[in-house]
Amino acid sequence: DSGVTQTPKHLITATGQRVTLRCSPRSGDLSVYWYQQSLDQGLQFLIQYYNGEERAKGNILERFSAQQFPDLHSELNLSSLELGDSALYFCASSVGVGYTDTQYFGPGTRLTVL
Amino acid sequence: AQSVTQLGSHVSVSEGALVLLRCNYSSSVPPYLFWYVQYPNQGLQLLLKYTTGATLVKGINGFEAEFKKSETSFHLTKPSAHMSDAAEYFCAVTHRDDKIIFGKGTRLHILP
Repeated sequence: DSGVTQTPKHLITATGQRVTLRCSPRSGDLSVYWYQQSLDQGLQFLIQYYNGEERAKGNILERFSAQQFPDLHSELNLSSLELGDSALYFCASSVGVGYTDTQYFGPGTRLTVL
Repeated sequence: AQSVTQLGSHVSVSEGALVLLRCNYSSSVPPYLFWYVQYPNQGLQLLLKYTTGATLVKGINGFEAEFKKSETSFHLTKPSAHMSDAAEYFCAVTHRDDKIIFGKGTRLHILP
């Protein structure tokens, strides 16, 4: 158990819909990262937040957005969903802001868009 | 731009045999390198990482990796495979001011 929790575990929805994925980092960790894992794209970094502020952006679509709240939990919002958005979405957390910090991954949310 | 190439999307070894998972990177600046493992239906877990210093890095579960700058490689090895090592392994690269890039992954199969 990494100490990172993600809800829900599974999500099935239809094209055009909007969903919210939630992540609670390990106690004491200030950074939260979001990743998308799919068979064709592999593991892609989406976005990082550090202590409530956006720190870095990766291959995140404009239809996707995220935020980190004062209690440090984070939410990833996916809107106007397309079939190609079906994937496993991971959240990870780390103590500091640096990319060399060890990241602890949650168990993921499997999103299926029908 | 940084990139990571993992040779072989699937590797099979017999129980007790040497495990060798290959990773080559491309980076214009000194890299930081990682190996992560993903067991079925779980998130990724850090096996080991190289940032600076000793080029032979020891990780958890008996794994180790050697950073070879001249070969731009960071191959993962384990002397003797166990059934519990069956998983997917990801090599990743970053440097101080850039986001992490993961390889496509190598699925390790252990044959009894």
